[in-house]
Amino acid sequence: GAGVSQSPRYKVAKRGQDVALRCDPISGHVSLFWYQQALGQGPEFLTYFQNEAQLDKSGLPSDRFFAERPEGSVSTLKIQRTQQEDSAVYLCASSPGQSYNEQFFGPGTRLTVL
Amino acid sequence: AQSVTQLGSHVSVSEGALVLLRCNYSSSVPPYLFWYVQYPNQGLQLLLKYTTGATLVKGINGFEAEFKKSETSFHLTKPSAHMSDAAEYFCAVGRNNAGNMLTFGGGTRLMVKP
Repeated sequence: GAGVSQSPRYKVAKRGQDVALRCDPISGHVSLFWYQQALGQGPEFLTYFQNEAQLDKSGLPSDRFFAERPEGSVSTLKIQRTQQEDSAVYLCASSPGQSYNEQFFGPGTRLTVL
Repeated sequence: AQSVTQLGSHVSVSEGALVLLRCNYSSSVPPYLFWYVQYPNQGLQLLLKYTTGATLVKGINGFEAEFKKSETSFHLTKPSAHMSDAAEYFCAVGRNNAGNMLTFGGGTRLMVKP
């Protein structure tokens, strides 16, 4: 079966541009997570969805970051007015349910802001 | 609050030698602990996890880890390194409640010399 997929795999944006990053979780997975991984560091939590509900967005670094999952499957992470410090790999992960399960990670989107 | 410290950002071993990657955590609740591996330009792959029960956990590719509550450690070991083990390894701690977000360490890059 297909794993978690993300698109685009690479994105180059000029400072000030808006970007949208897509995540297709494993079919039927209830939970979806976004993480940000800066170069040479471990992933850091951004936000969490349970179905279509965004239950935790405490990790979003600013109000320029926005995530949605309107139908409880595909999710989009949007970054408005990108800045150089937004350059990172953005990882999406999905998990079967509420209780403690393994998170399955996608390959990530590498965002470079010039 | 939870945190993870991985001692040694780079570890180099010879092929066939013991691999030991160190992880210490801080958690206010009983932790769930994970080791993930990341190959270049790929997402994170779960190696093993500790949730409850036996404190010695066996994972894929011959890796294992032992949960030591008194030392707040979850070190990863493998008796004999293979060239294919060269990758970035991340230790993570989670909590068993809604959201179960993971907190990652900074990662350890394992290099295997022929």
